[in-house]
Amino acid sequence: KAGVTQTPRYLIKTRGQQVTLSCSPISGHRSVSWYQQTPGQGLQFLFEYFSETQRNKGNFPGRFSGRQFSNSRSEMNVSTLELGDSALYLCASSLAGGTEQYFGPGTRLTVT
Amino acid sequence: GENVEQHPSTLSVQEGDSAVIKCTYSDSASNYFPWYKQELGKRPQLIIDIRSNVGEKKDQRIAVTLNKTAKHFSLHITETQPEDSAVYFCAASIGSNSGYALNFGKGTSLLVTP
Repeated sequence: KAGVTQTPRYLIKTRGQQVTLSCSPISGHRSVSWYQQTPGQGLQFLFEYFSETQRNKGNFPGRFSGRQFSNSRSEMNVSTLELGDSALYLCASSLAGGTEQYFGPGTRLTVT
Repeated sequence: GENVEQHPSTLSVQEGDSAVIKCTYSDSASNYFPWYKQELGKRPQLIIDIRSNVGEKKDQRIAVTLNKTAKHFSLHITETQPEDSAVYFCAASIGSNSGYALNFGKGTSLLVTP
């Protein structure tokens, strides 16, 4: 079974721009969660989607948003990028939430 | 919200020794506690997890213990090998039908020297 995939793997953007990241979960998994990983803050939860509905949201500003499609693929959008948004963005999928989460390889976002 | 503390931040052991990493959590409603291993430049990998109705779980050289009363859980790695060198993250979550979110500790960088 193929693992979680994320595209693109690397991205360089300028302050003020917006970016969209994509995540394809493991086949059959309906829950997708997003995390931000930085050296200073570690792994921080952004949001979780299940059956196209956001069920949980972390403590991030409204510039961070996401959605999930009927095939469980998910996208994350960050608008008005700031230098502090530079991070590794990881998505993780699980069967239904409350079960084991498996991570994708991440998208490395650099904001200049 | 849930706060997870992890200690130590770095740990160096000799090959063959045991390594122990400890985590505490703040929300007594947390009921799921996974551990992830992240090698440099790679994705976090789930290595073991435990639920609140279990006190201990073992998988070969890796074991996790949970003390709900004290709100702490620990990862034990026995007979360490150089390939165990990585950053280990503990996490806690309140799993329910309304969704769940993993709250991670800051990580422990484990170095196993030959």
